[in-house]
Amino acid sequence: TQLLEQSPQFLSIQEGENLTVYCNSSSVFSSLQWYRQEPGEGPVLLVTVVTGGEVKKLKRLTFQFGDARKDSSLHITAAQPGDTGLYLCAGLLTQGGSEKLVFGKGTKLTVNP
Amino acid sequence: DAGVIQSPRHEVTEMGQEVTLRCKPISGHDYLFWYRQTMMRGLELLIYFNNNVPIDDSGMPEDRFSAKMPNASFSTLKIQPSEPRDSAVYFCASSFSGGGEQFFGPGTRLTVL
Repeated sequence: TQLLEQSPQFLSIQEGENLTVYCNSSSVFSSLQWYRQEPGEGPVLLVTVVTGGEVKKLKRLTFQFGDARKDSSLHITAAQPGDTGLYLCAGLLTQGGSEKLVFGKGTKLTVNP
Repeated sequence: DAGVIQSPRHEVTEMGQEVTLRCKPISGHDYLFWYRQTMMRGLELLIYFNNNVPIDDSGMPEDRFSAKMPNASFSTLKIQPSEPRDSAVYFCASSFSGGGEQFFGPGTRLTVL
């Protein structure tokens, strides 16, 4: 079973539309990171959210961490073709004194011009 | 800095052969991670090192997989013998801290025939 569930798995929209992708879990995370991955490359960090209820904005991207630190969302306003990519959320689990980053399977976003 | 360097970028081999993947982390990063990415399972953590010492190898699928980090600037992931189900993209990542931003290499696309 996947510890972090991302939805939708695939999303294809037109340039200018708004969208929201979700990252859900039954586990509590110390923090949550969002990465974007383009074809043939490794993931690149977009943002880290740490506090329950925290909202961070990165230009047209808005990230929110759930109050209970179990879920997160990414909202993109007026999507552009350059936003196309695989969006991965990753939750930081603290277990037995060690930390481990657990990734969701991602949302593959295609923005058509 | 050139970022995380992985080699080879592509590897095609036959079932039963030994495969060695290589990684050079970013200088000064104390943590090194090996991941495997497939469509079915997403990005899975295989093993990670802190100061060249393996900390968590619970993600290593079976004894056919082994990883070493002989010094702070080099790590290998070895599969012996390889099987078709090992076909995936293998990523190496490094970071300053265990829960901090991870910097990913470009990945090695492995195909086992």
